Amino acid sequence: DQQVKQNSPSLSVQEGRISILNCDYTNSMFDYFLWYKKYPAEGPTFLISISSIKDKNEDGRFTVFLNKSAKHLSLHIVPSQPGDSAVYFCAASGGGTYKYIFGTGTRLKVLA
Amino acid sequence: DTAVSQTPKYLVTQMGNDKSIKCEQNLGHDTMYWYKQDSKKFLKIMFSYNNKELIINETVPNRFSPKSPDKAHLNLHINSLELGDSAVYFCASSQDRGHYGYTFGSGTRLTVV
Repeated sequence: DQQVKQNSPSLSVQEGRISILNCDYTNSMFDYFLWYKKYPAEGPTFLISISSIKDKNEDGRFTVFLNKSAKHLSLHIVPSQPGDSAVYFCAASGGGTYKYIFGTGTRLKVLA
Repeated sequence: DTAVSQTPKYLVTQMGNDKSIKCEQNLGHDTMYWYKQDSKKFLKIMFSYNNKELIINETVPNRFSPKSPDKAHLNLHINSLELGDSAVYFCASSQDRGHYGYTFGSGTRLTVV
């Protein structure tokens, strides 16, 4: 039972355009959400977080949106750059636990 | 200066062997984790220690045993290795519950032959 889902395994975007990566979750107890970027042969790198008391958080080119009623979050990257090409994971946690559940990842390719 | 370092990076071993993976963090974090990334690329938590206390112990075979001698180290020992244990194992650390993100190591690719 996958509680965090990233239904698009891959996404291709032109350089300079917006990349939108989506994530859905099923557990209404989740109240913290993180996005990670992963390059091959490296560990995931933390990008941005959001808690359930907010619906938007920005950090430079990265913005995360949270729609609690739809149990959906998205990561926007504007403008997309070739160096953004990587696998992106969303992760969710809740109920006061230390456990983050990861999605299956979306491979983003930014075309020059 | 590597923040979370795992050794070895690659490990090839025969079925039935016992092996250990070591992890050290120099970030002063109080929580450490072991995650497994399988062939389908799922990242699944295995264990977590907070201040040397085991706080997460997911449903993993008891052939896997974590050990945290201090806050900066979390090692993973695997007994009687099986083919299905082949995966990439990631160590990570965080401050408290990790709501400001984990710092991951670069992974250990374990291949059981």
